[in-house]
Amino acid sequence: QTVVTQEPSFSVSPGGTVTLTCGLNSGSVSTSHYPSWYQQTPGQAPRTLIYNTNIRSSGVPDRFSGSILGNKAALTITGAQADDESDYYCVLYLATGISMFGGGTKLTVL
Amino acid sequence: EVQLLESGGGLVPPGGSLRLSCAASGFSFSNSAMSWVRQAPGTGLEWVSTFGTRGGTYYADSVKGRFTISKDNSKNTLYLQMSSLRADDTAIYYCAKRGGEHYFDYWGLGTLVTVSS
Repeated sequence: QTVVTQEPSFSVSPGGTVTLTCGLNSGSVSTSHYPSWYQQTPGQAPRTLIYNTNIRSSGVPDRFSGSILGNKAALTITGAQADDESDYYCVLYLATGISMFGGGTKLTVL
Repeated sequence: EVQLLESGGGLVPPGGSLRLSCAASGFSFSNSAMSWVRQAPGTGLEWVSTFGTRGGTYYADSVKGRFTISKDNSKNTLYLQMSSLRADDTAIYYCAKRGGEHYFDYWGLGTLVTVSS
């Protein structure tokens, strides 16, 4: 059974840099999985941050960036701000029409 | 401006059925792939189903055989027919527009489905 893995939680200081990762239990993540990233605050709908590995969605600040690091997709937040405190989800495209979410990372800024 | 408005959620007993709707505006609905994504209370997001640009339909294993996605381009509306509902189908159901085939670019606000006796 395919599982998309994310760190359950992470903490960063205001102004600091944090990298969240997104892996596959069955192998490596590549650009062929078209990794995308979403931000969700409690009680709100998700917001699209990054798609196709490293393309920022419209209106997303450039402190958010996406990449492939080793065998995982990565979301880096540079200069973290208090309102970046959210849940972050990655999605991998596994086959035609089939997407899978990771379990999400709860990011704390303190 | 892209808008997605879900409706049809509510309380339904185990084994029951429900149809969700998603009214879309602000983009070319007929040329867009669309998806349903759900979130059970206190848990993460789960992809449920996609209606592809060429009419293909795709389902998560957890709902295959019980849920049916459909799209009415004349009404700019996406549907999710849910049957044989179980307690673990309780969730907020989000409608999402797909950017191409590979990601979600716009989201609705969601509609809550509660399966309980």
